[in-house]
Amino acid sequence: AQKVTQAQTEISVVEKEDVTLDCVYETRDTTYYLFWYKQPPSGELVFLIRRNSFDEQNEISGRYSWNFQKSTSSFNFTITASQVVDSAVYFCALSGALYSGAGSYQLTFGKGTKLSVIP
Amino acid sequence: DSGVTQTPKHLITATGQRVTLRCSPRSGDLSVYWYQQSLDQGLQFLIQYYNGEERAKGNILERFSAQQFPDLHSELNLSSLELGDSALYFCASSVDGGGFTDTQYFGPGTRLTVL
Repeated sequence: AQKVTQAQTEISVVEKEDVTLDCVYETRDTTYYLFWYKQPPSGELVFLIRRNSFDEQNEISGRYSWNFQKSTSSFNFTITASQVVDSAVYFCALSGALYSGAGSYQLTFGKGTKLSVIP
Repeated sequence: DSGVTQTPKHLITATGQRVTLRCSPRSGDLSVYWYQQSLDQGLQFLIQYYNGEERAKGNILERFSAQQFPDLHSELNLSSLELGDSALYFCASSVDGGGFTDTQYFGPGTRLTVL
């Protein structure tokens, strides 16, 4: 079985502060993918990033950066100089094998971290 | 905008009723996934279809069923509705058959309220 844990249920920061959202995962697969999605107050789920288990390089996209450490099974997400528009629930997810026929894989989500950025 | 469309956006119905949620995947995507998001259970995978065939099943109740049509749109049917079925139902799509390399793109969701 696979599992994703986002221990931080809610975080509040003041605008322009940096904030890191933690994600720890469990899987028996040697090859897997990790994802982050954003769910703003409007409700839709927005894809942010995908990272495979063989690539431990950190990634930066504008104010967003991701730190993948296989040794600690963590895939943390940092927002630099946070803005009010960053207020949302952020989900970490893992794709690994839940074999049910022709090689299909299930996306397992963490419970999410609600980020509130205060102006 | 992910390119995945879902209708209706909101649905209010009574216990015991049956409803149908509709999803159109992104152009070119062959896989459709259904998820349920509730406060207590979080985001739960329900079922996946690939090019018209059921590919994977998750925590889907027997009262729920789905299908994918030749034009690749999908419908999720919920019957004998209970109060606990109130949730946000998401559809997602991906290019391929749901291999672990696939990125799933989500629609805006259908909020179901059962009274």
